[in-house]
Amino acid sequence: QVQLQESGPGLVKPSETLSLTCTVSGGSIERYYWSWIRQSPGKGLECIGYIYYGGSTNYNPSLKSRVTISADTSKSQVSLNLRSVTAADTAVYYCARHVTYFGIAVWGQGTSVTVSS
Amino acid sequence: EVVMTQSPATLSLSPGERATLSCRASQPISSTYLSWYQQKPGQPPRLLIYYGSTRATGIPARFSGSGSETDFALTISGLQPEDFAVYYCQQDSDFLTFGGGTKVEMK
Repeated sequence: QVQLQESGPGLVKPSETLSLTCTVSGGSIERYYWSWIRQSPGKGLECIGYIYYGGSTNYNPSLKSRVTISADTSKSQVSLNLRSVTAADTAVYYCARHVTYFGIAVWGQGTSVTVSS
Repeated sequence: EVVMTQSPATLSLSPGERATLSCRASQPISSTYLSWYQQKPGQPPRLLIYYGSTRATGIPARFSGSGSETDFALTISGLQPEDFAVYYCQQDSDFLTFGGGTKVEMK
């Protein structure tokens, strides 16, 4: 059974870059979309963007200028870089496997990131 | 961008009652792009319904999805204690967006 594990620093300073990695185990990253979704404290879910294993990406228009999502098929990893962070980027960040029409059936447990000096 | 709006924000019901949660899209979408999730505190969301009305693996039959174009609904027929949670709708017709959520709380 495929499992996703997010990793990265739990604390990032304002104006710096938030970098997270999602490691996929128990399955291949091929033939799926891999999404980064975040949830601010007490708030709803926001898709940051996603990547198809072949490399094509789609980003949330409100974050597009600050986001890069990449995939390393050899390591079965998907990465997120979010630049110039502010306190508004404080959230739990989830990695998820997405299939159009079939929803998001596989989620990581999430990693909490706080932006603070 | 397709904006998803859920109502009500909170639904107060007793176990055994029927819950009807609403989700409205800002523009018409095919129901095939509509999914529903349940989230409990400290956990990631769990997929309940995809393709508008198809239950995900292991989801009980008391959960059902319906709707078309801009108006969609999740119905829980006969609330169980474990059903009290927050529910989100999500579309992937145009990017991937979620509704703001409906909290189903025990009355």
